[in-house]
Amino acid sequence: EPEVTQTPSHQVTQMGQEVILRCVPISNHLYFYWYRQILGQKVEFLVSFYNNEISEKSEIFDDQFSVERPDGSNFTLKIRSTKLEDSAMYFCASSEEERYNYGYTFGSGTRLTVV
Amino acid sequence: GQSLEQPSEVTAVEGAIVQINCTYQTSGFYGLSWYQQHDGGAPTFLSYNALDGLEETGRFSSFLSRSDSYGYLLLQELQMKDSASYFCAVRDHNYGQNFVFGPGTRLSVLP
Repeated sequence: EPEVTQTPSHQVTQMGQEVILRCVPISNHLYFYWYRQILGQKVEFLVSFYNNEISEKSEIFDDQFSVERPDGSNFTLKIRSTKLEDSAMYFCASSEEERYNYGYTFGSGTRLTVV
Repeated sequence: GQSLEQPSEVTAVEGAIVQINCTYQTSGFYGLSWYQQHDGGAPTFLSYNALDGLEETGRFSSFLSRSDSYGYLLLQELQMKDSASYFCAVRDHNYGQNFVFGPGTRLSVLP
């Protein structure tokens, strides 16, 4: 079964450093997303991406964050100048165009720890 | 604004039936999804309701009432492996039709 792949599975970084979280969505999917989940809390929407541009972003997704699809397969989330409160599990997801009845396919996540 | 409410915890025994409720408030409602998440794992899609009524998929069913801004996930013949967190998620026009997740319900299935 096709899956969304995320790397690394765990990233530890010092406060103030930049991190790049990587995702390979399912190949025939057209919509890509980043969500995050602070330990024990709900899954929060960050950003959606379609046709090589951001289609929607939440209030969490400020200038500290950026996304990019550098080639035909990868989808990245960059967090600049990380803060302690950025520590969370970051999930990438993808979906087929307008196939909401199939839901999103989530990757296994990257656990980001800022120290 | 938008809000979703779910019970924080539910406990049931193997073989039983359990219902997890979700109420929502949003001006941009399109549909309601349910996701399952085991500890340390990724959310896994279970169902999506855009219209009123009951959708059945094996042991799991999902219900939506748009007029009541309410839905539920029904799990039958509970198994130990069903112990997980369950999130309702609203597809919301105010978020570009993206899904916004509820706080989650932790289901514990006891032997």
